[in-house]
Amino acid sequence: AAGVIQSPRHLIKEKRETATLKCYPIPRHDTVYWYQQGPGQDPQFLISFYEKMQSDKGSIPDRFSAQQFSDYHSELNMSSLELGDSALYFCASSLKAGVNHEQFFGPGTRLTVL
Amino acid sequence: QQPVQSPQAVILREGEDAVINCSSSKALYSVHWYRQKHGEAPVFLMILLKGGEQKGHEKISASFNEKKQQSSLYLTASQLSYSGTYFCGTAITGNQFYFGTGTSLTVIP
Repeated sequence: AAGVIQSPRHLIKEKRETATLKCYPIPRHDTVYWYQQGPGQDPQFLISFYEKMQSDKGSIPDRFSAQQFSDYHSELNMSSLELGDSALYFCASSLKAGVNHEQFFGPGTRLTVL
Repeated sequence: QQPVQSPQAVILREGEDAVINCSSSKALYSVHWYRQKHGEAPVFLMILLKGGEQKGHEKISASFNEKKQQSSLYLTASQLSYSGTYFCGTAITGNQFYFGTGTSLTVIP
Protein backbone atom coordinates (compact mmCIF):
# COMPACT_ATOMS: atom_id res chain seq x y z
CA ALA A 1 0.00 0.00 0.00
CA ALA A 2 1.15 3.50 -0.76
CA GLY A 3 2.52 5.47 2.16
CA VAL A 4 3.31 9.09 2.88
CA ILE A 5 6.51 10.17 1.17
CA GLN A 6 8.79 12.85 2.50
CA SER A 7 11.85 14.31 0.89
CA PRO A 8 14.61 14.76 1.55
CA ARG A 9 15.14 12.26 4.35
CA HIS A 10 18.14 14.11 5.70
CA LEU A 11 19.14 17.74 5.30
CA ILE A 12 22.08 19.68 6.65
CA LYS A 13 22.01 23.46 6.55
CA GLU A 14 23.97 26.36 7.97
CA LYS A 15 22.48 29.01 10.24
CA ARG A 16 20.48 31.66 8.40
CA GLU A 17 20.02 29.44 5.33
CA THR A 18 16.66 28.31 3.96
CA ALA A 19 15.22 24.82 3.62
CA THR A 20 12.25 23.29 1.84
CA LEU A 21 10.72 20.03 2.98
CA LYS A 22 8.29 18.15 0.79
CA CYS A 23 5.44 15.82 1.62
CA TYR A 24 3.44 13.60 -0.70
CA PRO A 25 0.31 12.29 1.04
CA ILE A 26 -1.31 8.94 0.47
CA PRO A 27 -3.44 9.08 -2.71
CA ARG A 28 -6.97 10.37 -2.05
CA HIS A 29 -5.99 11.80 1.32
CA ASP A 30 -7.03 15.43 1.41
CA THR A 31 -5.61 16.53 4.77
CA VAL A 32 -1.95 17.10 5.57
CA TYR A 33 -0.35 17.84 8.93
CA TRP A 34 3.19 19.01 9.71
CA TYR A 35 4.95 18.25 13.00
CA GLN A 36 8.32 19.10 14.51
CA GLN A 37 9.92 16.68 16.95
CA GLY A 38 13.01 17.63 18.91
CA PRO A 39 15.21 14.99 20.58
CA GLY A 40 13.33 13.22 23.36
CA GLN A 41 10.24 15.35 22.85
CA ASP A 42 6.75 14.72 21.62
CA PRO A 43 5.78 15.83 18.11
CA GLN A 44 4.66 19.46 18.07
CA PHE A 45 1.88 20.42 15.70
CA LEU A 46 2.94 23.10 13.25
CA ILE A 47 0.21 23.50 10.64
CA SER A 48 -2.45 21.58 8.75
CA PHE A 49 -4.14 21.81 5.36
CA TYR A 50 -7.46 20.55 4.13
CA GLU A 51 -8.33 20.52 0.46
CA LYS A 52 -5.37 22.77 -0.34
CA MET A 53 -6.41 25.43 2.16
CA GLN A 54 -4.70 26.13 5.45
CA SER A 55 -6.82 24.60 8.17
CA ASP A 56 -5.15 25.25 11.51
CA LYS A 57 -1.89 26.68 12.83
CA GLY A 58 0.00 25.50 15.84
CA SER A 59 3.42 26.47 17.08
CA ILE A 60 4.81 27.33 13.67
CA PRO A 61 7.39 30.15 13.77
CA ASP A 62 6.83 33.17 11.54
CA ARG A 63 10.02 32.20 9.69
CA PHE A 64 8.25 29.08 8.44
CA SER A 65 5.55 28.92 5.82
CA ALA A 66 3.75 26.07 4.16
CA GLN A 67 1.30 25.38 1.41
CA GLN A 68 -0.56 22.55 -0.21
CA PHE A 69 -0.60 22.33 -3.98
CA SER A 70 -3.22 21.26 -6.49
CA ASP A 71 -1.86 17.69 -6.50
CA TYR A 72 -2.20 17.68 -2.67
CA HIS A 73 1.50 17.54 -1.99
CA SER A 74 2.68 20.01 0.60
CA GLU A 75 5.87 21.95 1.19
CA LEU A 76 7.24 23.43 4.40
CA ASN A 77 9.52 26.39 3.76
CA MET A 78 11.90 27.38 6.51
CA SER A 79 13.96 30.56 6.36
CA SER A 80 16.64 32.15 8.56
CA LEU A 81 17.36 28.77 10.07
CA GLU A 82 18.45 28.63 13.68
CA LEU A 83 20.28 25.94 15.63
CA GLY A 84 17.05 25.21 17.50
CA ASP A 85 15.32 24.25 14.27
CA SER A 86 17.33 21.03 14.22
CA ALA A 87 14.70 18.32 14.59
CA LEU A 88 12.76 15.57 12.90
CA TYR A 89 9.96 16.97 10.76
CA PHE A 90 7.04 14.67 10.12
CA CYS A 91 4.27 15.02 7.66
CA ALA A 92 1.06 13.06 8.12
CA SER A 93 -2.02 12.65 5.97
CA SER A 94 -5.54 11.54 6.64
CA LEU A 95 -8.43 10.60 4.43
CA LYS A 96 -10.68 13.31 5.73
CA ALA A 97 -10.37 16.35 7.89
CA GLY A 98 -11.36 16.44 11.49
CA VAL A 99 -10.79 14.60 14.69
CA ASN A 100 -12.24 11.24 13.79
CA HIS A 101 -9.68 9.99 11.34
CA GLU A 102 -6.31 8.41 11.90
CA GLN A 103 -3.18 10.07 10.65
CA PHE A 104 -0.61 8.21 8.59
CA PHE A 105 2.90 9.49 9.11
CA GLY A 106 5.74 9.76 6.66
CA PRO A 107 9.25 8.63 7.61
CA GLY A 108 10.29 12.17 8.47
CA THR A 109 13.00 14.57 7.40
CA ARG A 110 15.89 14.98 9.78
CA LEU A 111 17.08 18.58 9.62
CA THR A 112 20.42 19.49 11.11
CA VAL A 113 21.35 23.17 11.35
CA LEU A 114 25.04 23.85 11.92
CA GLN B 1 -3.51 22.26 26.05
CA GLN B 2 -1.16 19.29 25.82
CA PRO B 3 -2.59 16.09 27.30
CA VAL B 4 -0.64 14.67 30.23
CA GLN B 5 0.28 11.00 30.27
CA SER B 6 1.19 8.68 33.11
CA PRO B 7 3.38 6.93 33.85
CA GLN B 8 6.28 8.64 32.10
CA ALA B 9 8.11 5.36 31.77
CA VAL B 10 7.46 1.70 32.50
CA ILE B 11 9.50 -1.48 32.22
CA LEU B 12 7.75 -4.79 31.73
CA ARG B 13 8.78 -8.38 31.37
CA GLU B 14 7.36 -10.24 28.41
CA GLY B 15 3.84 -11.38 29.13
CA GLU B 16 3.07 -8.70 31.70
CA ASP B 17 0.31 -6.13 31.34
CA ALA B 18 0.43 -2.35 31.43
CA VAL B 19 -1.95 0.59 31.49
CA ILE B 20 -1.09 4.00 30.09
CA ASN B 21 -3.25 6.96 31.06
CA CYS B 22 -3.95 10.20 29.22
CA SER B 23 -5.64 13.20 30.79
CA SER B 24 -6.69 16.50 29.26
CA SER B 25 -7.76 19.81 30.75
CA LYS B 26 -9.82 20.51 27.63
CA ALA B 27 -12.96 18.82 26.43
CA LEU B 28 -12.11 15.84 24.27
CA TYR B 29 -13.95 15.03 21.07
CA SER B 30 -11.80 12.02 20.41
CA VAL B 31 -8.57 10.45 21.60
CA HIS B 32 -5.93 8.96 19.34
CA TRP B 33 -3.18 6.56 20.40
CA TYR B 34 0.12 6.17 18.53
CA ARG B 35 3.30 4.21 19.16
CA GLN B 36 6.69 5.51 18.08
CA LYS B 37 9.94 3.58 18.00
CA HIS B 38 13.19 5.49 18.27
CA GLY B 39 13.94 7.45 15.12
CA GLU B 40 10.81 6.24 13.37
CA ALA B 41 7.45 7.76 12.57
CA PRO B 42 4.49 7.41 14.93
CA VAL B 43 2.21 4.53 14.02
CA PHE B 44 -1.54 4.65 14.52
CA LEU B 45 -2.97 2.29 17.13
CA MET B 46 -6.49 3.42 17.92
CA ILE B 47 -9.07 6.20 17.89
CA LEU B 48 -11.76 6.48 20.53
CA LEU B 49 -14.72 8.68 19.74
CA LYS B 50 -17.48 10.19 21.78
CA GLY B 51 -20.34 7.77 22.15
CA GLY B 52 -18.12 4.75 22.51
CA GLU B 53 -17.07 4.12 18.93
CA GLN B 54 -13.56 2.78 18.50
CA LYS B 55 -11.37 2.22 15.49
CA GLY B 56 -8.08 0.42 15.68
CA HIS B 57 -6.13 -2.76 16.03
CA GLU B 58 -7.92 -5.79 17.41
CA LYS B 59 -5.18 -6.61 19.89
CA ILE B 60 -5.20 -3.15 21.44
CA SER B 61 -7.85 -2.05 23.88
CA ALA B 62 -8.56 1.32 25.36
CA SER B 63 -11.18 3.28 27.21
CA PHE B 64 -12.42 6.85 26.93
CA ASN B 65 -14.14 8.65 29.78
CA GLU B 66 -15.65 11.75 28.19
CA LYS B 67 -16.78 13.30 31.46
CA LYS B 68 -13.38 13.00 33.09
CA GLN B 69 -11.57 13.86 29.84
CA GLN B 70 -9.39 10.80 30.28
CA SER B 71 -8.36 7.82 28.24
CA SER B 72 -6.44 4.67 29.09
CA LEU B 73 -4.58 2.26 26.82
CA TYR B 74 -4.40 -1.36 27.92
CA LEU B 75 -1.52 -3.53 26.81
CA THR B 76 -1.89 -7.18 27.73
CA ALA B 77 0.51 -10.07 27.42
CA SER B 78 3.24 -7.68 26.30
CA GLN B 79 5.72 -8.69 23.64
CA LEU B 80 9.19 -7.37 22.91
CA SER B 81 7.78 -5.59 19.86
CA TYR B 82 5.57 -3.46 22.12
CA SER B 83 8.58 -1.43 23.23
CA GLY B 84 8.48 2.20 22.21
CA THR B 85 7.02 5.52 23.20
CA TYR B 86 3.24 5.72 23.37
CA PHE B 87 1.49 8.98 22.69
CA CYS B 88 -2.10 9.88 23.11
CA GLY B 89 -3.32 12.74 20.96
CA THR B 90 -6.32 14.98 20.81
CA ALA B 91 -7.74 17.49 18.38
CA ILE B 92 -8.89 20.56 20.24
CA THR B 93 -10.45 22.26 17.25
CA GLY B 94 -10.67 21.20 13.63
CA ASN B 95 -7.31 19.95 12.49
CA GLN B 96 -5.17 21.30 15.32
CA PHE B 97 -3.72 18.20 16.92
CA TYR B 98 -1.83 17.87 20.20
CA PHE B 99 0.23 14.89 21.25
CA GLY B 100 0.47 13.93 24.90
CA THR B 101 3.64 14.01 26.95
CA GLY B 102 4.48 10.41 26.02
CA THR B 103 5.08 7.16 27.91
CA SER B 104 8.23 5.17 27.30
CA LEU B 105 7.55 1.44 27.42
CA THR B 106 10.35 -1.12 27.54
CA VAL B 107 9.63 -4.82 27.39
CA ILE B 108 12.44 -7.09 28.49
CA PRO B 109 12.77 -10.86 28.06
